[in-house]
Amino acid sequence: DSGVTQTPKHLITATGQRVTLRCSPRSGDLSVYWYQQSLDQGLQFLIQYYNGEERAKGNILERFSAQQFPDLHSELNLSSLELGDSALYFCASSPSSGGGTGELFFGEGSRLTVL
Amino acid sequence: QQQVKQSPQSLIVQKGGISIINCAYENTAFDYFPWYQQFPGKGPALLIAIRPDVSEKKEGRFTISFNKSAKQFSLHIMDSQPGDSATYFCAASMGGTGGFKTIFGAGTRLFVKA
Repeated sequence: DSGVTQTPKHLITATGQRVTLRCSPRSGDLSVYWYQQSLDQGLQFLIQYYNGEERAKGNILERFSAQQFPDLHSELNLSSLELGDSALYFCASSPSSGGGTGELFFGEGSRLTVL
Repeated sequence: QQQVKQSPQSLIVQKGGISIINCAYENTAFDYFPWYQQFPGKGPALLIAIRPDVSEKKEGRFTISFNKSAKQFSLHIMDSQPGDSATYFCAASMGGTGGFKTIFGAGTRLFVKA
């Protein structure tokens, strides 16, 4: 158990809809990262937050947005869903860089299926 | 400059054999090189990691070899077991303000035949 909690574990929805994925980081971790893993694909970095502020953006579509709340949990919002958005979405957390090893702690993912 | 190239894409090894996965990076600012192991339906988990000031790190049956001048590193799994069948991701990471920048390789699917 990594200590990172993601909900829901599975989600099936239709094209054009909007969904929200939720992540609770490990206790004490201030940084949250979102990754997308499509079938037979690697881990594509979407976005990173640190203590409520956006720190880095990767290949995140304009239809996607995220935020980190004062209690440090994070939400990834996916809108106007397309079939190609079907994927596993992982959240990871880490301590701040100072004194940290660089290890990311991943949740078990949210599997999104768009029909 | 931000890519991490990983090969092979898939690997089949006999039980007891050696599994070797290779990675190459471009940005010399990376200072932490982890390998993550992912089982189906689970999130990736850190397996072993190395910093560029050492050329080799061994933990049990798993060894990372690191070649700083060539900007390459590899994972060796000795005495491979069916339970090692998983997807392996190499990564390169650097610290920054408020977290780490981590770039992952594309992954290698390892299957160990019993």
